[in-house]
Amino acid sequence: QVQLVQSGAEVKKAGSSVKVSCKASGGSFSSSFSNYGINWVRQAPGLGLEWMGDIIPTFATTRYAQPFQGRLTIIADESTATAYMELRSLRSEDTAVYYCAQNLYSVMEPRHAFHVWGPGALVTVSS
Amino acid sequence: SHELTQPPSVSVSPGQTASITCSGDKLGDKYACWYRQRPGQSPVLVIYQDNKRPSGIPERFSGSNSGNTATLIISGTQAMDEADYYCQTWDSSTVIFGGGTKLTVL
Repeated sequence: QVQLVQSGAEVKKAGSSVKVSCKASGGSFSSSFSNYGINWVRQAPGLGLEWMGDIIPTFATTRYAQPFQGRLTIIADESTATAYMELRSLRSEDTAVYYCAQNLYSVMEPRHAFHVWGPGALVTVSS
Repeated sequence: SHELTQPPSVSVSPGQTASITCSGDKLGDKYACWYRQRPGQSPVLVIYQDNKRPSGIPERFSGSNSGNTATLIISGTQAMDEADYYCQTWDSSTVIFGGGTKLTVL
């Protein structure tokens, strides 16, 4: 079973950028990372889950939710089984826990259910 | 854009059946899944593809999806089931979450 380990908490100034990493371990290493979408989901304090976007590592194809287009970049390094999420032009409303999550379905199936989640990384944006 | 609506809260007595609904336009034409999130923890997938349980999820968790409504059913609810529950689907390659329902077992 794949496990996802994320980078630690960050405190950022408004207007700056943050980059959060998500490293996969376990499973049948290469295919269990490369062929399954890694998604980024955030949760502001006391609020619900918000999907930000995803990447299919083997194709390096990305999709971004409309609210984040233009200031979100998701990349993946297959050699280290690590995905990264960079959010730019931070504002106070971006204060949240940022989760990475792996899709249950492989790249061959256009379905989405997230069966493995990272522990989350708290990003605090101060003005 | 597609939206999913959940009741903010549901209460249930221990041992009884809890039902949490998730409504969206023609949701029954898509697959729905459900997550449980306990305070301070990451979400956990409890139902996928409308009614399938991942390994390790108790049989008391079940799901259905028809028309405009998906439903998560927890039979014989236990205190450990108290948590926030989120439904999720996708539309035009966009993943959509419901607003979440706080399940209270009292």
